[in-house]
Amino acid sequence: NAGVTQTPKFRILKIGQSMTLQCTQDMNHNYMYWYRQDPGMGLKLIYYSVGAGITDKGEVPNGYNVSRSTTEDFPLRLELAAPSQTSVYFCASRAGVGRGEETQYFGPGTRLLVL
Amino acid sequence: AQSVSQHNHHVILSEAASLELGCNYSYGGTVNLFWYVQYPGQHLQLLLKYFSGDPLVKGIKGFEAEFIKSKFSFNLRKPSVQWSDTAEYFCAVMKYSGGGADGLTFGKGTHLIIQP
Repeated sequence: NAGVTQTPKFRILKIGQSMTLQCTQDMNHNYMYWYRQDPGMGLKLIYYSVGAGITDKGEVPNGYNVSRSTTEDFPLRLELAAPSQTSVYFCASRAGVGRGEETQYFGPGTRLLVL
Repeated sequence: AQSVSQHNHHVILSEAASLELGCNYSYGGTVNLFWYVQYPGQHLQLLLKYFSGDPLVKGIKGFEAEFIKSKFSFNLRKPSVQWSDTAEYFCAVMKYSGGGADGLTFGKGTHLIIQP
């Protein structure tokens, strides 16, 4: 299993540009999450999904959109990039809701710089 | 909203020293507790977790943590650190809502540097 994979690893955007951060997991996990990590801060939840076709907002969703058309993929879309979105983005997945299935597995991250 | 506090943002130790990193959370209900580690240039990896049962949990690489419910704490310990333990350590909490998809609430992290 590759686990959770993310592309690209690093990207520079100009203000106002758009891009999609890709996330794929091969563990057949129902739950997927997007977090951002700012310097000196912990990770903050942007969006999450409980299965294909179902998504919901997390703590900091403004400026982002997501979709979940398949179990494997959970892309994060930035429509109008702003300097405040400079961050490292982590995707994570989790098997289910049973006790013992709450562990989230993280991807390697995408480092985004908006200039 | 729940919050997670990690007491030390930067810790510098010598090899073989003992380690304790503090973590407190604010949620009063049932929680799942995690410690993740992020080695330089790598992604987050799970060190250990607590769901229920014995409040002293053991993880990988000799780490352990103790859940003290009355203190809302989940401190991470290691009796003797190694240079390879240099990393960022994150405490994380998830409310257990028996069916919810709640994400993790993270502390700000502790940057641990081990001097040879």
